[in-house]
Amino acid sequence: EAGVTQSPTHLIKTRGQQATLRCSPISGHTSVYWYQQALGLGLQFLLWYDEGEERNRGNFPPRFSGRQFPNYSSELNVNALELEDSALYLCASSLGGNRYNEQFFGPGTRLTVL
Amino acid sequence: AQSVTQLGSHVSVSEGALVLLRCNYSSSVPPYLFWYVQYPNQGLQLLLKYTSAATLVKGINGFEAEFKKSETSFHLTKPSAHMSDAAEYFCAVSTNTGGFKTIFGAGTRLFVKA
Repeated sequence: EAGVTQSPTHLIKTRGQQATLRCSPISGHTSVYWYQQALGLGLQFLLWYDEGEERNRGNFPPRFSGRQFPNYSSELNVNALELEDSALYLCASSLGGNRYNEQFFGPGTRLTVL
Repeated sequence: AQSVTQLGSHVSVSEGALVLLRCNYSSSVPPYLFWYVQYPNQGLQLLLKYTSAATLVKGINGFEAEFKKSETSFHLTKPSAHMSDAAEYFCAVSTNTGGFKTIFGAGTRLFVKA
């Protein structure tokens, strides 16, 4: 069974540009979560999608947005990039229904903003 | 507000010694608690989870954790460290207060000396 996949592995952008990160959940999982892992800050919750709807978002500005497609894959968009957006962005998926189900993580996308 | 505190950003043990990684949480409702491990350049992998059943939870790779409500703690232990245990460990709490989210601690990097 394939795990959670993320693309691209690395992404280099300049300040002010937009970044798009993609995530494919494990087959059968309907929930997708996005986290930002900045150096020394642990994981910060960004967004939660389930059945195509945004269910909750963390304490991030509106320039962080995303969506979930009918096949449950997801995109994270970051507009007007700032230097401090440089981080590892992790996607996780879980079965729907019980929201406390285990989250399975992808390997992440390393975003570097110059 | 819910929070997770991991005491010690770095822990170093000798191979064969006891591993103890500390985690304290704050939650106004019974929490769901997790320990995840992250190996270099990989996503997070679930070690174990507490879901209000047994207070002593056994996980993979010989790890276990004990939920102590009176101390609001969920410390991770392993009787005998192995070189392959060197990684970063994250404690997390899932709650439904203010919308469902999983909050991660800042992480503890475990070093294992030969």
